[in-house]
Amino acid sequence: AQKITQTQPGMFVQEKEAVTLDCTYDTSDPSYGLFWYKQPSSGEMIFLIYQGSYDQQNATEGRYSLNFQKARKSANLVISASQLGDSAMYFCAMREWEEDNDMRFGAGTRLTVKP
Amino acid sequence: DGGITQSPKYLFRKEGQNVTLSCEQNLNHDAMYWYRQDPGQGLRLIYYSQIVNDFQKGDIAEGYSVSREKKESFPLTVTSAQKNPTAFYLCASSIRLAAGTDTQYFGPGTRLTVL
Repeated sequence: AQKITQTQPGMFVQEKEAVTLDCTYDTSDPSYGLFWYKQPSSGEMIFLIYQGSYDQQNATEGRYSLNFQKARKSANLVISASQLGDSAMYFCAMREWEEDNDMRFGAGTRLTVKP
Repeated sequence: DGGITQSPKYLFRKEGQNVTLSCEQNLNHDAMYWYRQDPGQGLRLIYYSQIVNDFQKGDIAEGYSVSREKKESFPLTVTSAQKNPTAFYLCASSIRLAAGTDTQYFGPGTRLTVL
């Protein structure tokens, strides 16, 4: 069964606007971590933000924030004030702490920022 | 500067030949990982290693082999047994923190094409 689901293959956003990239996950492990990575055309995976399952507050890192809704098992990435350089693939990933070192990735969302 | 290096960036081989992809890190991370990425898809785990001289199979280990003789190095060999080796290969490393964040940081990747 798919553990990480990203339902948006592609998204468009106007420069300077905010955009939300969806991610839902499936786990029965009470302890897990959720990660978002950015992959520009160069191919390198760039870590953006992390949310732990026991974290009380939503994670934020600069223009990135994670809308964590535990009951709904969703961990959407919000990018505020989009920039042209934000155009890339974005991957959601989950690590269940009982599944030692096994990180699962979604299929990704391609974000295009329009000038 | 600390980081993860993978070489070469592009690699071409003839069918039936074994090929070894290099991954080196100077971050003093304990764990290292190899992922495979096919076009338009997320990452799939090939092998991982938590400590020197120990490694575990991931989801798609068949046709691949690894070694971990040094903490800094985790080379991946793509053998002739791998049915469809053409792909983008990403190496990652992580340090296990007490809080369990265990964020993985990635190298720039190697694009392997088997002719």
